[in-house]
Amino acid sequence: SQKIEQNSEALNIQEGKTATLTCNYTNYSPAYLQWYRQDPGRGPVFLLLIRENEKEKRKERLKVTFDTTLKQSLFHITASQPADSATYLCALDRGGSYIPTFGRGTSLIVHP
Amino acid sequence: NAGVTQTPKFRVLKTGQSMTLLCAQDMNHEYMYWYRQDPGMGLRLIHYSVGEGTTAKGEVPDGYNVSRLKKQNFLLGLESAAPSQTSVYFCASSRRQANEKLFFGSGTQLSVL
Repeated sequence: SQKIEQNSEALNIQEGKTATLTCNYTNYSPAYLQWYRQDPGRGPVFLLLIRENEKEKRKERLKVTFDTTLKQSLFHITASQPADSATYLCALDRGGSYIPTFGRGTSLIVHP
Repeated sequence: NAGVTQTPKFRVLKTGQSMTLLCAQDMNHEYMYWYRQDPGMGLRLIHYSVGEGTTAKGEVPDGYNVSRLKKQNFLLGLESAAPSQTSVYFCASSRRQANEKLFFGSGTQLSVL
């Protein structure tokens, strides 16, 4: 069966460190993968998209990698700040479908 | 810009009651979606629409109906609410292109007693 796995345990890090979140998938052949941020009581907000033919994408302090051989995407936040504390969701398409499927998300807590 | 607006924000129903959740977007997006989010389950797709007058089932469609009579509106109906439908419901929209990002509303917290 198709699965998208994100670490269900919260990631706790100190301010200034790099946070790395993982998104693994099985039985998918996605054309792209997206990352969203969700704050408590709010809807998810789009952060970055990476296509299957791209290895890495950057936006300010954010970096996403996409390894279709390992079936994994890594999401990095460098120089993390307490304001980065949120839940981060990955989403990928079902191979040719425009409809994304979401992982369960990983909570990031950045301590001052 | 309002973006995606959901109404109501909160609602409490008794088992067996019916209700409609309204989603409106002002970005002229072709695609609209309804997701539910439960603790530990992530976002699960209920129904979606790829254009005015068309709807399709998602991952968890049972117990829900939808309508897209106007391009900017997507309605989610519960005909006979059940406690299992207690959840946070999110509407989203996107353009009709591959790889397009989704814009989400702020959600509706629904409790069915």
